[in-house]
Amino acid sequence: DVVLTQTPPTLSATIGQSVSISCRSSQSLLHSNGNTYLNWLLQRPGQPPQLLIYLVSRLESGVPNRFSGSGSGTDFTLKISGVEAEDLGVYYCVQSTHAPPFGAGTKLELK
Amino acid sequence: QVQLKESGPGLVKPSLTLSLTCTVSGFSLSSYGVIWVRQPPGKGLEWMGVIWGNGNTNYNSALKSRLSISRDTSKSQVFLKMNNLQTEDTAMYFCARSGWRYWGQGVMVTVSS
Repeated sequence: DVVLTQTPPTLSATIGQSVSISCRSSQSLLHSNGNTYLNWLLQRPGQPPQLLIYLVSRLESGVPNRFSGSGSGTDFTLKISGVEAEDLGVYYCVQSTHAPPFGAGTKLELK
Repeated sequence: QVQLKESGPGLVKPSLTLSLTCTVSGFSLSSYGVIWVRQPPGKGLEWMGVIWGNGNTNYNSALKSRLSISRDTSKSQVFLKMNNLQTEDTAMYFCARSGWRYWGQGVMVTVSS
């Protein structure tokens, strides 16, 4: 099984601060078709997860551009450039190249 | 628009079988996969399995012996059945369309006598 390791498990930030979350895979997520199926989800309390980033760096429609994704192969990063209150919740990296897909999550909270 | 909605019993006794339904609209089950994901209270997301557009299925190896996912394309419904439920199966159960863009609101299932 592929293991996705997210760090840090918890992130404390002030409003306006820029933060990054790392997602490291135990195997390359580069698919044989040339795509890298690494996505980022945000789950706010009491809500289902929502898609923020797909294919490593593509911003989902309606998601603010303070969110950005980068990386390749086995190392990926989600960056939030200027945290806002609505960004609080748990962030998951999720991959669709192998199974199982999820990282353990990173909880973003206010400092 | 694309919608998914989970339904099923809120309470199941230990050792019995859980049956959940995911009713979808706005897309064809023959064209997209539907994934089941669960989340125990206060914990992270756990992928359970998927039924693809061609009807093939993949399961979490930890659940495979107890889990079955099927569908009725004419009714736009996907079914999850998991037997021999234990208290640790208490969780919110979500269905999502492949690609992770669309999710249901989830259904809470409690396993208790």
